[in-house]
Amino acid sequence: KQEVTQIPAALSVPEGENLVLNCSFTDSAIYNLQWFRQDPGKGLTSLLLIQSSQREQTSGRLNASLDKSSGRSTLYIAASQPGDSATYLCAVPSGGSNYKLTFGKGTLLTVNP
Amino acid sequence: EAQVTQNPRYLITVTGKKLTVTCSQNMNHEYMSWYRQDPGLGLRQIYYSMNVEVTDKGDVPEGYKVSRKEKRNFPLILESPSPNQTSLYFCASSLEVQPTYEQYFGPGTRLTVT
Repeated sequence: KQEVTQIPAALSVPEGENLVLNCSFTDSAIYNLQWFRQDPGKGLTSLLLIQSSQREQTSGRLNASLDKSSGRSTLYIAASQPGDSATYLCAVPSGGSNYKLTFGKGTLLTVNP
Repeated sequence: EAQVTQNPRYLITVTGKKLTVTCSQNMNHEYMSWYRQDPGLGLRQIYYSMNVEVTDKGDVPEGYKVSRKEKRNFPLILESPSPNQTSLYFCASSLEVQPTYEQYFGPGTRLTVT
């Protein structure tokens, strides 16, 4: 059974700092990995989808990397801003398809002005 | 605007009173699913649907029903809600049930069962 772990559970940084969020998964036979952002009381917003054949995916100040063999992904946020404060979740499809996403429990990021 | 909508956004109800949470997407997506989110447990899948009239159980289907009569709609039905179904519910959709497509989530429905 796929398990997804995110460390740390919470992170507080000063504005402008570069930071890395970690995601690990137990079954490396994944097709892709998706990073989401969740603001308090709101839904999930897809940030990046990185395919298993890719090693990196970039969108603006965000960069996601994927190392299937080690079962790890990182989300790098450059020059963090207070507006980046949110919970960040990673998710992988289970069972070889997109039938079900297995989510990590998230990292709560606070960027202090 | 491409989106997944859910109604209602907030609902307080009593034990045993049947309710339906609606989910609709305007992107012609084949795949839709329901998740619940609970503190300490994260997001868990309830049911999913690969297309019209094709549904299957996720990890926590007990106490829930779904139907997919139209491609755009995927309602979640609680026939006899209980307090342990108090949760934040999300509907999601993707173009197809292939791992190359990202999933889009609705804004969530916060349900309280007293």
